[in-house]
Order: sequence, then C-alpha cells, then structure tokens
Amino acid sequence: ETGVTQSPTHLIKTRGQQVTLRCSSQSGHNTVSWYQQALGQGPQFIFQYYREEENGRGNFPPRFSGLQFPNYSSELNVNALELDDSALYLCASSSRTGGFGGEKLFFGSGTQLSVL
Amino acid sequence: GNSVTQMEGPVTLSEEAFLTINCTYTATGYPSLFWYVQYPGEGLQLLLKATKADDKGSNKGFEATYRKETTSFHLEKGSVQVSDSAVYFCALSVMNRDDKIIFGKGTRLHILP
Repeated sequence: ETGVTQSPTHLIKTRGQQVTLRCSSQSGHNTVSWYQQALGQGPQFIFQYYREEENGRGNFPPRFSGLQFPNYSSELNVNALELDDSALYLCASSSRTGGFGGEKLFFGSGTQLSVL
Repeated sequence: GNSVTQMEGPVTLSEEAFLTINCTYTATGYPSLFWYVQYPGEGLQLLLKATKADDKGSNKGFEATYRKETTSFHLEKGSVQVSDSAVYFCALSVMNRDDKIIFGKGTRLHILP
C-alpha cells in the first residue's frame, strides 16, 4: 500500500466527452506525475506538477491538462475524448526537495478509462 | 532519444526455476535504471534500481547489474515462486527537471506450481 489514491477506479465515457481523474498524493509528497498505460504497453509520461505548476510534459496534446492543489492532490483532465485515450491512467507522487529529481516514485493503482 | 527494450512475454516457468528477463537501453547522458513490478489489479512498485555503472540492485531475491558497456540491465532470480507472477517493467530516468521515467513495454511472467 503506497498511500497514493486515485478515483474513480473505472470510468466509461463516449467519444467527444470530457473526463476528470483525481489523485491524492502520499502524505508529505509535493510532486505528482501522471502516466498513461495503454493495454500491453509500458506507462507513458504525460506531465508532472511540482508546487502547483507544470514541471515537465511528455508528447501529449493540449487537450490533456492538469492541476495541482495546495494540498498537493492533483487532477488530470482530458477534453474531446478519442477512442485511443482508452487506457489505465496512473498517478505517482514523490517528494522533491529542489533541483533535479530522481526521487522514488510511489504509484497509485490507477483509473481504467474506456472510451466508446 | 531515450528508450528501453525488454524481452517480450509472456514468460512461463515452473516454480523454483531460474529467471532472466533481458533489458537494454538507449540514453543520452547517464541514466538511472529501474525494474518495476505490477501485480494484478495494483499499481507499479519499484523492485530495484541502480544509479551508476557496475552497481547491482537487489530486492526480494531479484538482482540486476548496470552494464554500461553493453547498455543492459537484465533481471535475474535464482528460484522463482508462484507469487512472483506479475508484469515486470524495465525503465530509465535521466536526471532532468521533470525526472520522468521511460518504461519498456513490460514482460508478463507466469509461474506454474
């Protein structure tokens, strides 16, 4: 049990809709990263939030956006859903003390999103 | 660019067999290397890591050695158990402002009793 909780666990949407996924980071952690894991693939980095600001982004379009709140919890928003957005979305938290990263990531169990 | 290639699965072994899962990487700079494990219905867990050449990471009987000359980080275990059945991901991270992790595609391991 890592202490990182994600909600909901499963979600079904239709193409064109919008979705919000939520993540509560482990106590004491100030950094949240989001990953997309398609079926049979490894997780792909979407973006990271540190102290409420986006701190890096992977190769995902702008319709993928996020927020981090003062309590370090985070949301991932996806607009105009496409069929290929069907995947497991993983949140990971870590404790960054400044400078470059490399700190250990703690992953949640993920939200399984199905787009029909 | 940075990437990780690992052997495709599924890998099926009998209990107490020797396990090797091959992993090679391509990276600019000097990466840290990881093995993560994903049990059914759970998130990823860090299994072991190595941060410099010739380092050996180990945990729960699993081992992997950072080989810079062959750009490899193969996972090994001398005697697997049914409880080791899971998906294993090789991964790397290059020190960067966002410390993103780049994962391989994963290798599914089935251990038969």
